[in-house]
Amino acid sequence: QQQVKQSPQSLIVQKGGISIINCAYENTAFDYFPWYQQFPGKGPALLIAIRPDVSEKKEGRFTISFNKSAKQFSLHIMDSQPGDSATYFCAGRATDSWGKLQFGAGTQVVVTP
Amino acid sequence: EPEVTQTPSHQVTQMGQEVILRCVPISNHLYFYWYRQILGQKVEFLVSFYNNEISEKSEIFDDQFSVERPDGSNFTLKIRSTKLEDSAMYFCASRPGDLTDTQYFGPGTRLTVL
Repeated sequence: QQQVKQSPQSLIVQKGGISIINCAYENTAFDYFPWYQQFPGKGPALLIAIRPDVSEKKEGRFTISFNKSAKQFSLHIMDSQPGDSATYFCAGRATDSWGKLQFGAGTQVVVTP
Repeated sequence: EPEVTQTPSHQVTQMGQEVILRCVPISNHLYFYWYRQILGQKVEFLVSFYNNEISEKSEIFDDQFSVERPDGSNFTLKIRSTKLEDSAMYFCASRPGDLTDTQYFGPGTRLTVL
């Protein structure tokens, strides 16, 4: 059972453009939705996270939009930079878990100069 | 800034051999996790550990796997008899406590089973 579905699989965007990654979840017990950024050979690092009582959260150039009724959330990277080239994973965590994160399949973002 | 560290960075082993992957979580963190990532695939949860016992585990975490916190700093993952399909990147993560959602990941150990 795929708890978190992520799309697209890959994305190429020009410098200065907007990158948009979408995720949909099935488990209504999820109460925490982080986005992790992973560079090749490195571990995932938390980028930004949201809880379902908020519809949007912005940190710098990164924004999460959250639609609870549709069970969807998305990451927007504004003014994309070559340094943003990485793999991005969305995840969900159920309220009754001990912190278990269930990740989406990942999106490889390439920002061209 | 404190970091989760993992050793070794790369481990090569023969099928059927036992391996121990080591992690040093961030000091004073209370929750510990192991995840794995098969090449090109998503990160998968293996196990969570709190108060010196397993709190949750996935279907992947069968009897071949075990975790231990042998002292106040290390957190280990043991695979008793490795299989080819155990080849993956294994990430350790830690979380400060109940009031913090953020999990901090280590750089990973790449396990190659031949």
